Amino acid sequence: EAQVTQNPRYLITVTGKKLTVTCSQNMNHEYMSWYRQDPGLGLRQIYYSMNVEVTDKGDVPEGYKVSRKEKRNFPLILESPSPNQTSLYFCASRQGYGGNEQFFGPGTRLTVL
Amino acid sequence: KQEVTQIPAALSVPEGENLVLNCSFTDSAIYNLQWFRQDPGKGLTSLLLIQSSQREQTSGRLNASLDKSSGRSTLYIAASQPGDSATYLCAPLPGNRLAFGKGNQVVVIP
Repeated sequence: EAQVTQNPRYLITVTGKKLTVTCSQNMNHEYMSWYRQDPGLGLRQIYYSMNVEVTDKGDVPEGYKVSRKEKRNFPLILESPSPNQTSLYFCASRQGYGGNEQFFGPGTRLTVL
Repeated sequence: KQEVTQIPAALSVPEGENLVLNCSFTDSAIYNLQWFRQDPGKGLTSLLLIQSSQREQTSGRLNASLDKSSGRSTLYIAASQPGDSATYLCAPLPGNRLAFGKGNQVVVIP
């Protein structure tokens, strides 16, 4: 089954404790991206990747890192999480560049205390 | 920067009524436009992808139109059902930096 998976689905952590949220897709998509969703603010793009070893900032990249060492994986790293990073996070992928259909993961609900 | 507005932000309708959800965007240089459905606290489910060369796309009770030149798309849901209660999001698809609207939150009352 074609899908985007994220782990963990739920995470409660404390300020300053480094964490990684994994994202994997099995559709051989070149493009992957991370979003966060907050009440009243909607979905905002954090980082995206056009292909292996090619990443770029979205609209809200501060406090996040990403890497794209393999085509199928695009982990989101929070080196020193803070309470304002408490949010619902989504990973997405699509084929190639431009207006192809996006596929979303199930989301990761992160709480930083 | 692409700005996406969805109107109305929220609406409640009795079961059986038709729904009209509007999406407007500022940058018409898009390839396609995608509509999603999101249930509370859940992920996004793709409903329709309208290619820029198309004016409409239909799937069951759903019909979406796209007018690139005016920067607008409309999602019609015919004969609404309680199971249609959700938030509907539109996303114009340009290149890399994607923007979403804040959604149309729909409640269908039995």
